[in-house]
Order: sequence, then structure tokens, then C-alpha cells
Amino acid sequence: GIQVEQSPPDLILQEGANSTLRCNFSDSVNNLQWFHQNPWGQLINLFYIPSGTKQNGRLSATTVATERYSLLYISSSQTTDSGVYFCAGVSRGSYKLIFGSGTRLLVRP
Amino acid sequence: KAGVTQTPRYLIKTRGQQVTLSCSPISGHRSVSWYQQTPGQGLQFLFEYFSETQRNKGNFPGRFSGRQFSNSRSEMNVSTLELGDSALYLCASSTDSMNTGELFFGEGSRLTVL
Repeated sequence: GIQVEQSPPDLILQEGANSTLRCNFSDSVNNLQWFHQNPWGQLINLFYIPSGTKQNGRLSATTVATERYSLLYISSSQTTDSGVYFCAGVSRGSYKLIFGSGTRLLVRP
Repeated sequence: KAGVTQTPRYLIKTRGQQVTLSCSPISGHRSVSWYQQTPGQGLQFLFEYFSETQRNKGNFPGRFSGRQFSNSRSEMNVSTLELGDSALYLCASSTDSMNTGELFFGEGSRLTVL
């Protein structure tokens, strides 16, 4: 089945720093999304980005579908950005939503 | 508008019991999909329902089942609970299909099996 690899698995930043999270897919996917899981477990939508670039405040994302990867940029990080970031996409072959293993981010004050 | 609502939020069961979890999608959304999250396996797809029909199913045993009602609300049931079923169960809704639309998740139901 399709594999979704996220890097880095863990990231520690000082408040104010910038970071880039990466998501690689082993095959083509539909509906690529980025989520932030809050401490209570809810997955919060960040971006729905099958292709192209989007920005929302300090966050932006870019998906290059032809090369099967997506990037999430966090600028001027804040302690509230801490948590786990997941990317997910629907496998075109099996029509199942596949999640990456996540990037655990800790932003220190 | 209201988001995806899952009930109950927390529950504790013992091995061998069964459990039913509920998910009310965003108004107008017709697709509901379910996911299991455990520390060891991460987030895994369980199944998707659309217009009261199961459209896709993940690799879980038959103890895991679900259904969808005419108002798009969905329930999932786990019978003969095992310790390994302890997990956070998340549901998501989308307007048409999880294959073509943006997904919105509920807060989850955290199940502990003793």
C-alpha cells in the first residue's frame, strides 16, 4: 500500500523561529491535507492542498503533486504551535485516507 | 455552523463488552469516515459511509462495524472488546466523499478497555 513519510519526526524550536515540515508520498494521492492535533486529540484542519501553495497567517503550505511531496512552513513560531502535525491523503488505488506518522513539534518560550 | 460532534468523549469498558460510538457530521455533509489512533499504529482508516452505505473499509476485523442513518449521523460498534482496542476513535465528515472533499474531524471518543 501507499506509504506516507513525514520528516522530521520530532522538532524543538525556540519561540520566534521558523520551520519546514515535509510529507512524502510513495504514490499519487488525492485530497492532501495538513492537520494539527491539539492536546485533547482533535485534528484541526490547517490546509486542504492537493496542489499549489496556500497561506494562512504564519502558516503556509506547498504541494508538488507531480513529485509527490508537500511542505508545511511555520514562521515566527509560538508556544501554541506545539503539538503533532499530520499530513494525509487518499490513495488513488484503494480510496483510503492514509496518514503520515506525524511530526511532534515543541516550541519553547 | 456546528462542527462534527462525537459522543461519548470518554468511556471505560472491560474485555468482552461491546461499545457503540456516535458521530454527527456537519450539517449538509453526507460522508462520514472513522479512524482509530493508537500510539503504536498511529492513525488508521476504519471505514467510510455515504448515504447509509459503506463505501470503503480498512483492514480491521469484523468486530468493528458501523452504520449510517438517513440524517447522515453514524455509529460505529466494537464487539467483544480486547485490550488492544483502547484508542482514540475519530470521525470525520465531508460534503461528498472523503476521496474528493476536505475532511473535518470531531474531538474524538477515547476508549479504555480494562
